[in-house]
This record gives sequence, structure tokens and C-alpha cells, in this order.
Amino acid sequence: EPEVTQTPSHQVTQMGQEVILRCVPISNHLYFYWYRQILGQKVEFLVSFYNNEISEKSEIFDDQFSVERPDGSNFTLKIRSTKLEDSAMYFCASTGRAREAFFGQGTRLTVV
Amino acid sequence: GQSLEQPSEVTAVEGAIVQINCTYQTSGFYGLSWYQQHDGGAPTFLSYNGLDGLEETGRFSSFLSRSDSYGYLLLQELQMKDSASYFCAVRKDDKIIFGKGTRLHILP
Repeated sequence: EPEVTQTPSHQVTQMGQEVILRCVPISNHLYFYWYRQILGQKVEFLVSFYNNEISEKSEIFDDQFSVERPDGSNFTLKIRSTKLEDSAMYFCASTGRAREAFFGQGTRLTVV
Repeated sequence: GQSLEQPSEVTAVEGAIVQINCTYQTSGFYGLSWYQQHDGGAPTFLSYNGLDGLEETGRFSSFLSRSDSYGYLLLQELQMKDSASYFCAVRKDDKIIFGKGTRLHILP
């Protein structure tokens, strides 16, 4: 069964450092997403990506964040200068023409 | 704005039936979905309602009434492994918006 893969599973970084979270969506999917989930809270939308550009982003997705699809398979989320409040689980997801979103297992980001 | 409201917690007994409600204040969306998330895991898709009415998938059923801005997830023959958080979600424009989730506790 196809799946979305994310690396690393856990990232610890110092405040102010840049981090890149990586995702390989399902190959024939069209839409790619990043979500974050602070422990015990809801799954929050960050950004969607379609046709090689951002199609929608939330107010959380400020200038500190960027996304790229550098090749045909990877989809990355970069946080330029991490803050303590960026500590969360970050999920990548992808959808095709069907309604179901497939999520990766997430990257737990800890900013210290 | 767009919001989906769910109870924060529900408790039920193993073998019983439980209903998790979702009310929403959004329009122009494609349909209502439900996702399950176990602690430490990723959300996984359970069901989708594009049209009003009931959709059944094994022990799980989901219902949508657009006129009432309301939907629910029904879990039957509860098992301990059903202990998880359940999120309703709508796909609108180019994003999927999730409710805050309902934590389901199952008692033996």
C-alpha cells in the first residue's frame, strides 16, 4: 500500500537554528500539505501545495516558513529561525483526486 | 470564519455504541470526513460523506446533514483498540480543516 514517508522522526534543535523537515508524498498525488499538532491539541493547517506552488497558507505560515518540492518526489518544510513555540509534531499529507488524505508518521520537532 | 465543533471527550463501555457529533460553521465545502488518531500516531482516514445521509463501513458509520450543519460518527461494538482521538474535517478550497478532536475513552 502506498504511503507518505517523513524524515527525521524526531529532530532536536536549538532556538534560532534552521530546520528542514522532509516528506515523500505518494507519487501520483496532486496536493501536498503540511500540518502541525502541538501535544494534545488539534491538527492545524499550515500550507497546501499544488502544481509546484503554494495554493493556500494559514496565518501560522509566516515568513519563517517555506516549502519546496526540489525534485519530483521530495516535499520539504523549512523553518528559518526556530522558536520555542515551534515545538510540535509536523505532519505531511497528500491527496489525489479522492477525498482521503494520507498522512506521514510525522516529525517531532523539539526546540530547546 | 470556518470552524468545526466536537465534544472534547467521550467515554463509553467496551461492546457498546457511541456517537461523536460534529457541528460546523462553514460553507462551500466538498464533504465531511472523519479521521482517527492514536496517541503518537498519524491521523488515518475513516470515512467520508459527500452527500447527506449515512455511510457505513464495517463497525463505523458516518452521517451528514448539510441543512443542519451537522454530522456524526457512530462506532458500534466498541473495542479497546478504538480508544483514540477522532477528528471531523472538511475539505474546502485547497485545504483540509480539522475539528479540535474528540478523545474517546473506553472502559472495560
